[in-house]
Amino acid sequence: GAVVSQHPSWVICKSGTSVKIECRSLDFQATTMFWYRQFPKQSLMLMATSNEGSKATYEQGVEKDKFLINHASLTLSTLTVTSAHPEDSSFYICSAWGKRPSDTQYFGPGTRLTVL
Amino acid sequence: AQSVTQPDIHITVSEGASLELRCNYSYGATPYLFWYVQSPGQGLQLLLKYFSGDTLVQGIKGFEAEFKRSQSSFNLRKPSVHWSDAAEYFCAVGGTNAGKSTFGDGTTLTVKP
Repeated sequence: GAVVSQHPSWVICKSGTSVKIECRSLDFQATTMFWYRQFPKQSLMLMATSNEGSKATYEQGVEKDKFLINHASLTLSTLTVTSAHPEDSSFYICSAWGKRPSDTQYFGPGTRLTVL
Repeated sequence: AQSVTQPDIHITVSEGASLELRCNYSYGATPYLFWYVQSPGQGLQLLLKYFSGDTLVQGIKGFEAEFKRSQSSFNLRKPSVHWSDAAEYFCAVGGTNAGKSTFGDGTTLTVKP
């Protein structure tokens, strides 16, 4: 199956700093990428949908100025958590969909963010 | 609005026993349905999906699921559970294979030796 990677897998930062998380489709071109957030013992909540070359579409309640998403190429999308605070600590997961393979989304392994 | 309900928060089965995880969905049109598995601290792995056609879907690791439109259900089954199946299982519904999906709250599976 197709492979999606995320970097870093785990990051710890101080409150007030910004953190960038990368999501890459390694062996296919991802025209659409999704960013999810998952709190411990909870389900995935969609944060935003990004299409290559256009602005991301954010779900209701998600602050677009706090969670900056850039889908600059067909293989890379980034999520930047700006001025992170402890309540932003979570597991962030991306998924990618492309024309080939087109059967489903492929999920990355996730990034655990801890804000001190 | 689309939604997914997984009624069972936690299920415990003995190794070798059969398994059924329940999933009920709400969607205004023909749904795309998915089952994913997540091990602790890991991303999601697709077990199987239903888009159309045969309502009994075969997936990886010996899992299958049956789509029942009349009951708005897409239950996951496995005839004989292995200890390595212990994980979190998520059912999801979407409008297309590329569109955003709504996930259920998940079911934690514990396997007793």
